[in-house]
Amino acid sequence: GDSVTQMEGPVTLSEEAFLTINCTYTATGYPSLFWYVQYPGEGLQLLLKATKADDKGSNKGFEATYRKETTSFHLEKGSVQVSDSAVYFCALSDQPGSNYKLTFGKGTLLTVNP
Amino acid sequence: DAGVIQSPRHEVTEMGQEVTLRCKPISGHDYLFWYRQTMMRGLELLIYFNNNVPIDDSGMPEDRFSAKMPNASFSTLKIQPSEPRDSAVYFCASSPGGGNYNEQFFGPGTRLTVL
Repeated sequence: GDSVTQMEGPVTLSEEAFLTINCTYTATGYPSLFWYVQYPGEGLQLLLKATKADDKGSNKGFEATYRKETTSFHLEKGSVQVSDSAVYFCALSDQPGSNYKLTFGKGTLLTVNP
Repeated sequence: DAGVIQSPRHEVTEMGQEVTLRCKPISGHDYLFWYRQTMMRGLELLIYFNNNVPIDDSGMPEDRFSAKMPNASFSTLKIQPSEPRDSAVYFCASSPGGGNYNEQFFGPGTRLTVL
């Protein structure tokens, strides 16, 4: 079945540091890939997405590239801010358009210190 | 445009009591999802609906859990009787469907504590 594996946290960085959160996936078809972010006390919000191989999703300075050859979708940001402190979830949707379930990773807690 | 609305935001109850969680999806969205989030198990999909019809309830933990969607603008998740291990944050999400990706929009969650 489908699965998503994220690097375990927590991740603690200083402001303006470079961020990478690794994500790899297993899927039977050609999935769409997502990063969701959950700020303290809130629901998940879509951060970025990619729907096919070599697509790059980007938003708010975050980027992730859909790598079919390595089945990866690593999240990166060049300079993190304190306001980026949150839990980040990698997710996939297999067979988009016919199967609307999302498979989530376990989440990675990021803390950014001033 | 209002997002997904959930109520109550917090619920504290005693073991054995019935608990009802409520969700109003975004207008026009055809899909509605119920999730449970705990530290131990992460985010789990419990059930999802398409056009008010339950499509997949394989994540519902046991018969104590039930979910309904009587119309396009309202869904409930009921736990009867509740147990301490049901303590978690329960999220409702909705999705418009269609297109080539399946973005889901999450509500703020209901934090349930069963004593």
